[in-house]
Amino acid sequence: KQEVTQIPAALSVPEGENLVLNCSFTDSAIYNLQWFRQDPGKGLTSLLLIQSSQREQTSGRLNASLDKSSGRSTLYIAASQPGDSATYLCAVMNTNAGKSTFGDGTTLTVKP
Amino acid sequence: GAVVSQHPSWVICKSGTSVKIECRSLDFQATTMFWYRQFPKQSLMLMATSNEGSKATYEQGVEKDKFLINHASLTLSTLTVTSAHPEDSSFYICSARDLTPGQGGAQHFGDGTRLSIL
Repeated sequence: KQEVTQIPAALSVPEGENLVLNCSFTDSAIYNLQWFRQDPGKGLTSLLLIQSSQREQTSGRLNASLDKSSGRSTLYIAASQPGDSATYLCAVMNTNAGKSTFGDGTTLTVKP
Repeated sequence: GAVVSQHPSWVICKSGTSVKIECRSLDFQATTMFWYRQFPKQSLMLMATSNEGSKATYEQGVEKDKFLINHASLTLSTLTVTSAHPEDSSFYICSARDLTPGQGGAQHFGDGTRLSIL
């Protein structure tokens, strides 16, 4: 059974800092890994999707990496802004069209 | 980008009422949709996998007769909370998986439905 862990559970940084969020998973036979952000009372917004054959994906200030052999993914946020404050979740899918396993998320606060 | 529309966004109703929540994929076909429940300050709890044209697959501990799921078309899944009671009050979120070639099976979420049973 796939288990997904996100560390830290909460993170507070001053505006402008670069930061890394971590996601680890126990079963390396994954189909893809997806990073989301969730604002309070809202649904999830997809940030980046990494296929099992890929090592990283970039979108603007965000960069996500994937190391299947070690069961880890990181989400790097450059030059953080107060608008980045949210809960970040990673989700791992093991088979095509199968369900995903979510981590508990990291709640990020970026202070002005 | 891919859009999933979920309605209604907020429902308040009396105990014993049945409530239907709709989840639509607006610009892609979704043979598979998912229904989640989320408690305050907690992560998502998968309730069931909705499969177009067939019965939904429920997670252990989720009452099938309580949470009715219908996925009658490639763009619409509905969740009906039957005879809702205060303990059913929660935030319900749907998602759809985009299996269009090149999209990598990305999962896209609706904005959620806040259900409050009085």
